[in-house]
Amino acid sequence: QVRLQESGPGLVKPSQTLCLTCSVSGGSISSAGYSWSWIRQFPGGGLEWLGNIYYSGTTNYRPSLMSRLSFSVDTSKNQFFLNLTSVTAADTAVYYCARGSGYGIWGSDNFGFWGQGTRITVSS
Amino acid sequence: DIMMTQSPDSLAVSLGERATIYCKSSQSIFYTSTSKDYLAWYQQKPGQPPKLLIYWASTRESGVPDRFSGSGSGTDFTLTITSLQAEDVALYYCQQTYLSPGTFGQGTRLDIK
Repeated sequence: QVRLQESGPGLVKPSQTLCLTCSVSGGSISSAGYSWSWIRQFPGGGLEWLGNIYYSGTTNYRPSLMSRLSFSVDTSKNQFFLNLTSVTAADTAVYYCARGSGYGIWGSDNFGFWGQGTRITVSS
Repeated sequence: DIMMTQSPDSLAVSLGERATIYCKSSQSIFYTSTSKDYLAWYQQKPGQPPKLLIYWASTRESGVPDRFSGSGSGTDFTLTITSLQAEDVALYYCQQTYLSPGTFGQGTRLDIK
């Protein structure tokens, strides 16, 4: 059973960079064909897919966030990472990492395995 | 982006009764080459991440009880829970997986009447 676990700072000041780590266990992040995504959930409940990365390092970003987002992967540690620059209060959310299930097309996917989420608050 | 709209925002159903949640996409999410609708349903309980229930509009994820069923095609979809159980109290989301970025509905809260 694949397990994912997010880790992050909890509180980030406005204009700073948010850095998150997703640690994967019970399966290899190098498993061919799977994408590894970041998704956030706002305080009102809305869900927003941020983008994904493959073990090869290929990335896809949500267009509206592309200028501030970057993902990376460390296959030796079975981890992948999110960097979000210039954060504002609008970035306050629970951030999830998830594994794509392969049931989507044209760059989209759904998610069968999720981490428990890490709550991020942007405030001075 | 494809917009997903769920209705109602909340509903309350008696134990053992049927619950029906609707989801509408702003454009068709049916792909003729595969004859599939790229629509997924999730269930989210408090303090937990969403759980995938159904994909391709009507295919149940492994381990999901058969009282959960999905239907619809094109732009209009339905999640039906027959014989509601207490553990089904949750938020339910639809998601289109036809075009990136995959977008979610706003959620429907299901409670016991």
